[in-house]
Amino acid sequence: EDQVTQSPEALRLQEGESSSLNCSYTVSGLRGLFWYRQDPGKGPEFLFTLYSAGEEKEKERLKATLTKKESFLHITAPKPEDSATYLCAVRAHNTDKLIFGTGTRLQVFP
Amino acid sequence: DADVTQTPRNRITKTGKRIMLECSQTKGHDRMYWYRQDPGLGLRLIYYSFDVKDINKGEISDGYSVSRQAQAKFSLSLESAIPNQTALYFCATSTGTDEAFFGQGTRLTVV
Repeated sequence: EDQVTQSPEALRLQEGESSSLNCSYTVSGLRGLFWYRQDPGKGPEFLFTLYSAGEEKEKERLKATLTKKESFLHITAPKPEDSATYLCAVRAHNTDKLIFGTGTRLQVFP
Repeated sequence: DADVTQTPRNRITKTGKRIMLECSQTKGHDRMYWYRQDPGLGLRLIYYSFDVKDINKGEISDGYSVSRQAQAKFSLSLESAIPNQTALYFCATSTGTDEAFFGQGTRLTVV
């Protein structure tokens, strides 16, 4: 069964304190791994797509990496405006569906 | 204007009532999806559609039905709402190979 597990569930950081969020997955043939940001009461906002092990993508203070079993979202020198829930999802080869993890709730304090 | 628009944004309804949530998109995508989000459970797929004639059940379809009225419109219905259907509902669209685009959500409360 395709499955996505994210850790930690919640993360509190001081402004400027770099850290990483983890997304572990089991899927029958990965067709894409997706990272989203979600603010309270709003829809998920797309950040990155990764398709193969070794691939990396960057955007401002965020960098996503992918291995055959997991993905990391690295946050460098975070700011309070980076506070949000970060969601990871996978798409398997035999389906168009996205399977989501339960997310990591990030809080960055000044 | 938003690419994926959901109406209503908020709704309170009584147990046993029928309610419809609507979604329209201007992305031109064939694939449309309805997800439900509950605290601690993440986004769970209710139904998805590849085109007007192709509707598929997701992991939690019991108690829900859908209608794909056109390529751009996908509605979710609760025939007889119950309190444990209280949740945040999201519509999404996709090409099927790339990322999905989400609406702003409908917060549904069943009392």
